[in-house]
This record gives sequence, structure tokens and C-alpha cells, in this order.
Amino acid sequence: AQTVTQSQPEMSVQEAETVTLSCTYDTSESDYYLFWYKQPPSRQMILVIRQEAYKQQNATENRFSVNFQKAAKSFSLKISDSQLGDAAMYFCAYRPGANNLFFGTGTRLTVIP
Amino acid sequence: DSGVTQTPKHLITATGQRVTLRCSPRSGDLSVYWYQQSLDQGLQFLIQYYNGEERAKGNILERFSAQQFPDLHSELNLSSLELGDSALYFCASSVARREGRNEQFFGPGTRLTVL
Repeated sequence: AQTVTQSQPEMSVQEAETVTLSCTYDTSESDYYLFWYKQPPSRQMILVIRQEAYKQQNATENRFSVNFQKAAKSFSLKISDSQLGDAAMYFCAYRPGANNLFFGTGTRLTVIP
Repeated sequence: DSGVTQTPKHLITATGQRVTLRCSPRSGDLSVYWYQQSLDQGLQFLIQYYNGEERAKGNILERFSAQQFPDLHSELNLSSLELGDSALYFCASSVARREGRNEQFFGPGTRLTVL
């Protein structure tokens, strides 16, 4: 079975500080991709960052970076210099090959001014 | 704007009724995915179509069905609606090649309320 677990239902961070959101997944596949999606109050699903499992280097997109530990099946998201606009639900997602996405239950991030 | 369009934006209906949700994929994308997001939950995969053919099925109820037309737009039909079907329904599209990133682009969703 392919599952994605986000163990932190809610997190908060002070503006300009750094926060890390956790995600673990379970799979027997060797070819897969991992994603973090942001869902603001508008409910639009916005891709934040992606990681190919075959790449050892951790992905980075501006203030967003991941810590991908393949052996531990862990994929955490680090947000640096947090901004008020980062407040949203964050979903970790896994995709085997070219198939559909499997989502975690989400982490609600609050940014405190 | 992802390039994926969904109509309608909101839909309010009664139990027992039938509704149709529509999705137009990004230009050039052959694959359409349907996901359901119940209140404050993660997205659950329902079904995938590729170039008019059903490719994969997830946790889709028998009361639900979908199809993809020759112009590649897709419709999700929900019948005998129950209160628990109230949710946000997302459509996503991708090129769906065997190799490569195959990123899925999400539409804005259709919010269905069953009263």
C-alpha cells in the first residue's frame, strides 16, 4: 500500500523565522516523485516544490527547500524567512511513475506577525 | 492560472439528485485526473483518463462515473447524491508520458454542497 503521513496537523511560526513540516511515505516502488502543495484559503492547489526520487540532491525553490531521506522514506519541507502569505494548508504528495498523486492529510501553517 | 478550467465553481443541490462537473485540461495535456477533497481532508484520487480511455481508478463510488471526450474535456457525473458527497472536487491534467516529470496542474475546483 502507498501511504503518505503528515504527523503535524498544525504548526505555527513567527514571521521571518524558519519552520519545518514533516512527511513520511511508504512505498515499494523505485521510481517515484514527491511534492509539496500549498492550499491557501482560496482552495487552489499550488505546487511548491518537487523531488525526483532518483536525485540525491535536495530540491530548493527560493525560500523553500526539502530534506529528502530516501532510506528513511522521509520528505520534510523547510520554509525560511516565513512570510504572512505562507499561511496555508500544506500537503505532502507522492506519485509513483506517471500515475496519480497520493496525498497526506495536511499541515495547517499559521504565520504569526 | 494553471490553464485547467472547471465549471461550475459552486453547486448546491439536494440529496438524491444527479450533477455533472466539467473539466477542460491544459492545451496539449492528454490525461485528466479527478480528486475529491472532503472538509479539511487531503485529496483522494477518484479516476484518471488518458486520451479518452480510463487509465486508473481509485476510491470512486459506483454512483460516480466519468468520461473524457474527443476534445479531451472530461465530465464527472455524481448520482443519487448523499450528504457525505459534499466536497471540493478537483480536476488535474498532465501530459502523462511514461518518462519525465509529468507534473499535474490543478483546476480551481468545484465546490459541491448537498442539502
